[in-house]
Amino acid sequence: TQLLEQSPQFLSIQEGENLTVYCNSSSVFSSLQWYRQEPGEGPVLLVTVVTGGEVKKLKRLTFQFGDARKDSSLHITAAQPGDTGLYLCAGTRQETSGSRLTFGEGTQLTVNP
Amino acid sequence: KAGVTQTPRYLIKTRGQQVTLSCSPISGHRSVSWYQQTPGQGLQFLFEYFSETQRNKGNFPGRFSGRQFSNSRSEMNVSTLELGDSALYLCASRVRPGGYNEQFFGPGTRLTVL
Repeated sequence: TQLLEQSPQFLSIQEGENLTVYCNSSSVFSSLQWYRQEPGEGPVLLVTVVTGGEVKKLKRLTFQFGDARKDSSLHITAAQPGDTGLYLCAGTRQETSGSRLTFGEGTQLTVNP
Repeated sequence: KAGVTQTPRYLIKTRGQQVTLSCSPISGHRSVSWYQQTPGQGLQFLFEYFSETQRNKGNFPGRFSGRQFSNSRSEMNVSTLELGDSALYLCASRVRPGGYNEQFFGPGTRLTVL
């Protein structure tokens, strides 16, 4: 059972369309991050959100952290082919032995020209 | 500043063999974490090292081990390889444990077990 559920798993859209990717959990996270991974490469950090209700914008990407810090969303406006990649959400829960990063399964986004 | 580097990038082994993967963190980063990425399970946490000590460990069998050197470089070892160990092994570094846990990943080592 995945601690972080991402949806959809696959998304194929045309250039210029908008899209939203969701990351949900029943657990509370002290922080949540979004990464993008391209084939043959490691994930690249896009953003970190730490406060419930927080909204961050990165050009055409808007990230939101849920009020209860259990869920997050990524919205892309006017998607471009360069946005194609695997989008991963990852959360941190504080544990007595330290903190670990828990990843969702990812959303594979394809933006067609 | 150079990013996280991992060697080798690709590796092919047969069942029963053992393998050692290497990771050099970003300069100044003293914490190194290892992850296994497979199509079915996604990214799974293996372990984290800081100041040459294992700080945290995921739910993997004892065949998976690691260590960290005084220069923060880290190695992970997998003994008695199984077919299911075929995966992309990712290393990530950060300055220290704690905080917002922002980690920077290397390109990974693609391990294929035949």
